[in-house]
Amino acid sequence: RKEVEQDPGPFNVPEGATVAFNCTYSNSASQSFFWYRQDCRKEPKLLMSVYSSGNEDGRFTAQLNRASQYISLLIRDSKLSDSATYLCVVNFYSTLTFGKGTMLLVSP
Amino acid sequence: DAGVIQSPRHEVTEMGQEVTLRCKPISGHDYLFWYRQTMMRGLELLIYFNNNVPIDDSGMPEDRFSAKMPNASFSTLKIQPSEPRDSAVYFCASSSGQGAHLSYNEQFFGPGTRLTVL
Repeated sequence: RKEVEQDPGPFNVPEGATVAFNCTYSNSASQSFFWYRQDCRKEPKLLMSVYSSGNEDGRFTAQLNRASQYISLLIRDSKLSDSATYLCVVNFYSTLTFGKGTMLLVSP
Repeated sequence: DAGVIQSPRHEVTEMGQEVTLRCKPISGHDYLFWYRQTMMRGLELLIYFNNNVPIDDSGMPEDRFSAKMPNASFSTLKIQPSEPRDSAVYFCASSSGQGAHLSYNEQFFGPGTRLTVL
């Protein structure tokens, strides 16, 4: 079983749509969780941390379910500029494990 | 402020040649990470340093790979001899550790080195 699993997509959505990505992880002792964004041929950049209580940053909402070892990211009112690959990231004692990413394509 | 700097940005070499990738972390960051990204395997941690000391090199694929950090502002990843399967994008990242709270500190990635081994 892979440590961090994501649907690779691509998810094709029109501008203004709401889209959700999911991720599962295998290490129940994982300590912290993140979503990174990676544009084509660029480096990954932190999008947001993920907390059990759920957290929101503008149009982005992240949620963690430790019992199910499941992480989600919701993007509302999609913009063309949201087109990218979204990487689910799990931390265990300073070692980050990345999912392979979910590609999002937002069209006009 | 300058971010993480990597050089070269692109490297094309022939099988059997030595390849050296370079990284300058963000000033003041005491953790440095080397990653490799391929379509098949995604982003994988190769090795990381804390205060210039290698902490975990379990991700280094084999003895052909070596990494050094002679000082706080410079690290190298060397492949000798290189093989076609080493073709990938190699990222360096740095972060400011806070001991037990390292897990919450953002890692900042450099632009990567795109390596092609023919």
